[in-house]
Amino acid sequence: KNEVEQSPQNLTAQEGEFITINCSYSVGISALHWLQQHPGGGIVSLFMLSSGKKKHGRLIATINIQEKHSSLHITASHPRDSAVYICAVRKRPTDKLIFGTGTRLQVFP
Amino acid sequence: DTGVSQNPRHKITKRGQNVTFRCDPISEHNRLYWYRQTLGQGPEFLTYFQNEAQLEKSRLLSDRFSAERPKGSFSTLEIQRTEQGDSAMYLCASTRGSEVWSTDTQYFGPGTRLTVL
Repeated sequence: KNEVEQSPQNLTAQEGEFITINCSYSVGISALHWLQQHPGGGIVSLFMLSSGKKKHGRLIATINIQEKHSSLHITASHPRDSAVYICAVRKRPTDKLIFGTGTRLQVFP
Repeated sequence: DTGVSQNPRHKITKRGQNVTFRCDPISEHNRLYWYRQTLGQGPEFLTYFQNEAQLEKSRLLSDRFSAERPKGSFSTLEIQRTEQGDSAMYLCASTRGSEVWSTDTQYFGPGTRLTVL
């Protein structure tokens, strides 16, 4: 069983829809990252969470430490949001990242 | 542009050849990580440096792989006697952290895509 599980693996949406991607993990962590990866490989960190909720523009990330679960929400989705979204957890002591397999999101106009 | 650079961006090689990749982290970042990503999968941890010291290596890193970070600045990842299974995207990330923990996010380079024929 993977230490980090994401769902769904693939997601299609119409422009404007509200999107939720879920992440569950089974190990002790120091923080959780939500990352965005566009075709061609570049990875950008969207959020780093250790508790509660963070918001940046149309993106919202939440984490429940007790339940070992996090969600990434996109409000009013847009075709430019199309990308792979990856959940990754940081493990002490080196803070290396353990990644989920990613959720491929396609938003159609 | 995150400030982390990797070279080359693409490398095509024949099986059995040696290859070397370079990562230049953000200058004040003391921690550097190498990850590998195969098609359709999330990245996997390979190795980690705190300054010039290599503090952790994954079991994925066979004897054919070696990484260095001389002087705690740029890092190189060398693969000897490449195999087709080594074909992947090799990602570098850097961050700032104390001896005990880091409170900063990791900044990723654009990756080096290796194809072994």
